[in-house]
Amino acid sequence: QKEVEQDPGPLSVPEGAIVSLNCTYSNSAFQYFMWYRQYSRKGPELLMYTYSSGNKEDGRFTAQVDKSSKYISLFIRDSQPSDSATYLCAMSKGAQKLVFGQGTRLTINP
Amino acid sequence: GAGVSQSPSNKVTEKGKDVELRCDPISGHTALYWYRQRLGQGLEFLIYFQGNSAPDKSGLPSDRFSAERTGESVSTLTIQRTQQEDSAVYLCASSLKGSGVIEQYFGPGTRLTVT
Repeated sequence: QKEVEQDPGPLSVPEGAIVSLNCTYSNSAFQYFMWYRQYSRKGPELLMYTYSSGNKEDGRFTAQVDKSSKYISLFIRDSQPSDSATYLCAMSKGAQKLVFGQGTRLTINP
Repeated sequence: GAGVSQSPSNKVTEKGKDVELRCDPISGHTALYWYRQRLGQGLEFLIYFQGNSAPDKSGLPSDRFSAERTGESVSTLTIQRTQQEDSAVYLCASSLKGSGVIEQYFGPGTRLTVT
């Protein structure tokens, strides 16, 4: 079993829809939770990070962490075609190494 | 300012040959990381440098893989006797010492194809 599981999709939604992306994990020692966005043929870019449990909002993006269920989510409101990308969750125990999910490929249709 | 750069952007090599991949981190970033991304997969950690030392090499898949960093800047990932399963995108990231795991800035990657 992988430490971090993420549904690879692909996920296709109409413009303006609310998108929900999720990851589950098995290692209860994870403390830092990140979401990266990766456009085709580019490196990942950090969208948001959360320390321990709770919610964090940044514009149209909301990250949620539920440590009791070992489950994290990223919500995108009012989705735009420019949000089309692969979204990767990543986690860390606080050391330098990040453990990534497989990535979910998202397409927002105009 | 300049981001993380990697070269070459693409590399095609024959099975059994050695390859060197280069990473230029953001100026002033003392931490540097190498990851591998196979097609349709997430990133796998390979190695982490703090300055010129590598306190975590746990992700290097075999002794055919090695990396070095000189002058707290450029890093080179070397793969000896390449195999077809080495085909992947190799990504480098850098961060300030204080931000560490949280704010890693990634380069565009080197796409390696072993034929």
